[in-house]
Amino acid sequence: QKEVEQNSGPLSVPEGAIASLNCTYSDRGSQSFFWYRQYSGKSPELIMFIYSNGDKEDGRFTAQLNKASQYVSLLIRDSQPSDSATYLCAVGRSSASKIIFGSGTRLSIRP
Amino acid sequence: DTEVTQTPKHLVMGMTNKKSLKCEQHMGHRAMYWYKQKAKKPPELMFVYSYEKLSINESVPSRFSPECPNSSLLNLHLHALQPEDSALYLCASSQDGTVTDTQYFGPGTRLTVL
Repeated sequence: QKEVEQNSGPLSVPEGAIASLNCTYSDRGSQSFFWYRQYSGKSPELIMFIYSNGDKEDGRFTAQLNKASQYVSLLIRDSQPSDSATYLCAVGRSSASKIIFGSGTRLSIRP
Repeated sequence: DTEVTQTPKHLVMGMTNKKSLKCEQHMGHRAMYWYKQKAKKPPELMFVYSYEKLSINESVPSRFSPECPNSSLLNLHLHALQPEDSALYLCASSQDGTVTDTQYFGPGTRLTVL
């Protein structure tokens, strides 16, 4: 079992709809959860971080964390073609002193 | 300002060359990271410096040698690389290296080893 798992996609969503990206993790001691967006050939760019159970909203983005289910998700409302990218989930656990990246989900917003 | 800069943007080198990658941040962060990323794969951690001391070495081959001259600068010295070392090399920084810190990435150096 991978430490951080994401569906590789591609996930195709029509413009204006809600895109839902999911991530599961294996270590119950994980403390911090990050979503990065990466355009092809570019470096990862932080979208959101979340530490506590529940929802955290920032503009069109909402991160959701459920520690009991070991699940974190990212919702993108009113999806735009510019949201087409690979979204990396990253999980931090103190025992490893580092964050672990999932393999990423490729999102495609179709006009 | 959440900017991390990296030079050069692109580097082509032969297997016998010696070259260095450079990274700089002026956010007052005390932790800096080197990652390697191959196409369609996630970033893979190589080294972590925390307060200018090497705190994590992910069993990286000795042909990669990191250096942290001060809290704002991070170098990666390259020697006798192999073609399979061709990748995007990413530098990142964070406040103090704890796992709740947000890591900010530089634009990367695209390395090609011939």
